[in-house]
Amino acid sequence: QKEVEQNSGPLSVPEGAIASLNCTYSDRGSQSFFWYRQYSGKSPELIMFIYSNGDKEDGRFTAQLNKASQYVSLLIRDSQPSDSATYLCCSNFGNEKLTFGTGTRLTIIP
Amino acid sequence: DGGITQSPKYLFRKEGQNVTLSCEQNLNHDAMYWYRQDPGQGLRLIYYSQIVNDFQKGDIAEGYSVSREKKESFPLTVTSAQKNPTAFYLCASSTPGQGKETQYFGPGTRLLVL
Repeated sequence: QKEVEQNSGPLSVPEGAIASLNCTYSDRGSQSFFWYRQYSGKSPELIMFIYSNGDKEDGRFTAQLNKASQYVSLLIRDSQPSDSATYLCCSNFGNEKLTFGTGTRLTIIP
Repeated sequence: DGGITQSPKYLFRKEGQNVTLSCEQNLNHDAMYWYRQDPGQGLRLIYYSQIVNDFQKGDIAEGYSVSREKKESFPLTVTSAQKNPTAFYLCASSTPGQGKETQYFGPGTRLLVL
């Protein structure tokens, strides 16, 4: 069974601090990894994708991929109250389908 | 203005009734997907389609049916065989990419049982 695991949280972070969200996956064949943000009652929206080992930065967001250790993380710098949401990690495991983790609920405390 | 639309936003199903959820995209994406999300849970794949007139079962296809007669449309029918249909249903479509496909989601339909 190919799985993606996330700490469900909730994770509370003070405003302005760095939020660190982590995800592990079971299959070394995974090629692509995605982070989605989902506000309560809304659909997921794509934040970042990463295919290669190392870091990928986009504004306040940095995705980190370590294929040897089978983990992917998302860092949010200068956290804002608007970052409060559930963050979904997923992988395609080398095929056209995505397998999602259960999500980590993040709360930014003003 | 490209995107994915789902209708209705809320849908109520009576016992023994079949209901159909609509999903339309004008992004010219070949692949489309249906997911189900239960409270506090991740997304589970119901059905997906990579080309017109072809679709495959996902992880929880029992009690659901789909069709793909047009590239733009991928309706999902929740049949009376689905005994616990209350959930948030999400439609997605993806860019082609040989293992790097990125999925984009519609706004969702919330199905409730009367």
